[in-house]
Parts: sequence; C-alpha cells; structure tokens
Amino acid sequence: GNSVTQMEGPVTLSEEAFLTINCTYTATGYPSLFWYVQYPGEGLQLLLKATKADDKGSNKGFEATYRKETTSFHLEKGSVQVSDSAVYFCALTVTGGGNKLTFGTGTQLKVEL
Amino acid sequence: DTAVSQTPKYLVTQMGNDKSIKCEQNLGHDTMYWYKQDSKKFLKIMFSYNNKELIINETVPNRFSPKSPDKAHLNLHINSLELGDSAVYFCASSQGAGGKYEQYFGPGTRLTVT
Repeated sequence: GNSVTQMEGPVTLSEEAFLTINCTYTATGYPSLFWYVQYPGEGLQLLLKATKADDKGSNKGFEATYRKETTSFHLEKGSVQVSDSAVYFCALTVTGGGNKLTFGTGTQLKVEL
Repeated sequence: DTAVSQTPKYLVTQMGNDKSIKCEQNLGHDTMYWYKQDSKKFLKIMFSYNNKELIINETVPNRFSPKSPDKAHLNLHINSLELGDSAVYFCASSQGAGGKYEQYFGPGTRLTVT
C-alpha cells in the first residue's frame, strides 16, 4: 500500500534558522508528492507539489525536491519566520487511486523570536 | 470569495443523535472529498465523489453516508453518533480525480460528541 513517514515533531526553531522536515514515502505506482500546511484553527493549504522525479516544488521560500532514488520529499526553508509556525503535512497521490491523498502524521513547527 | 465552505464550523451533540455537515465549492471542480482529522491531527480520507458518483469509500462505518446532490455540493450525514466520531471533518475539492490534481480544503467542522 501507500504510506508517508514524516519526522516527529514538534520542531522548535529561532527566527531566521534553517528548516528541514524529512519526508519519505512508499507507493504502489508513480506518486505525485505534496506538502500541505495547516495554520492554527484553519484548513489545509497546498504549499508546494512535485509530480515527477527530480522536480522541485517551491513556494513562499519553501522548497522540496522529488527524489525517486531515496523515495524522499524533504521540505526546506532557508530562514523561517514566526509566521511559519504551523503543522506541515507531507502527502502523496497515485494515478488510478482516485486522487486520494495519503498523509503523513504531520510535523508541528514553532518559530520563536 | 470562499472557495470551499463548510457548515457548521462547530457542532456539539450527544451520543445517539443524527447530524449533517454541508460542503459547497464554487471552483467549478468535479471531484469532492471528505477527510477526518483525529485528535492527534492525523488525516484520513473517508469518501470521494467524481461528477456526483462515489469513487472512494474507505472503511467507514455505515453510519456515515455522503450525498452529492450536484458537483458543487457534498454533504455528510452521520447516524447514531458515537464518542469516537469526535474529530475535525474537512471537505476538499479538485479539478479531477487523476492523481495529480491539487485539492482545495474547507475550513473544517469540529464535531464534539458528548
């Protein structure tokens, strides 16, 4: 079956620190990969996506590269801000799966001044 | 303009009751979903409809019954509510069901069963 494994949180960083949230996956078929972000009390928003190997998704200073050889899609940001505090979800869909998102467990990020 | 909206935002009810959650999207999408987020924030799909037809039904108790009257609406009715049904329920929509489509999520409905 399909599954996504994310690093355990919470992750606490100082403002302007470098962020990495690890994500690895297993999939039957060729997955598309996504990072979603959930701010407190809100729904999920797509942060970035990649649909084929070696694609890099980027948005708002966040980046992630689809690595087929290591089945990974790690999220990075060079300099985090307090406003980045949220829960981050790695997820995948596979062709023929009805566009069903399979989520990781989420990683809570807290950025302090 | 709200893209995906859900009503109500909060729902508090007693065990054994029947309740409904409504979802509407104004994005012109043809595929809609219900996800359940538990207290540990784990998200799992429940149902998906494409052009008003059920295409995903993940091991969900029969007490949960989705209904899609048209492509823009997907409602969730829950019978005989149990304590374990307490969760946040998210509706989402996408342009298609082909595996690469971004899903747009509603703000969620927090259901509390007492």
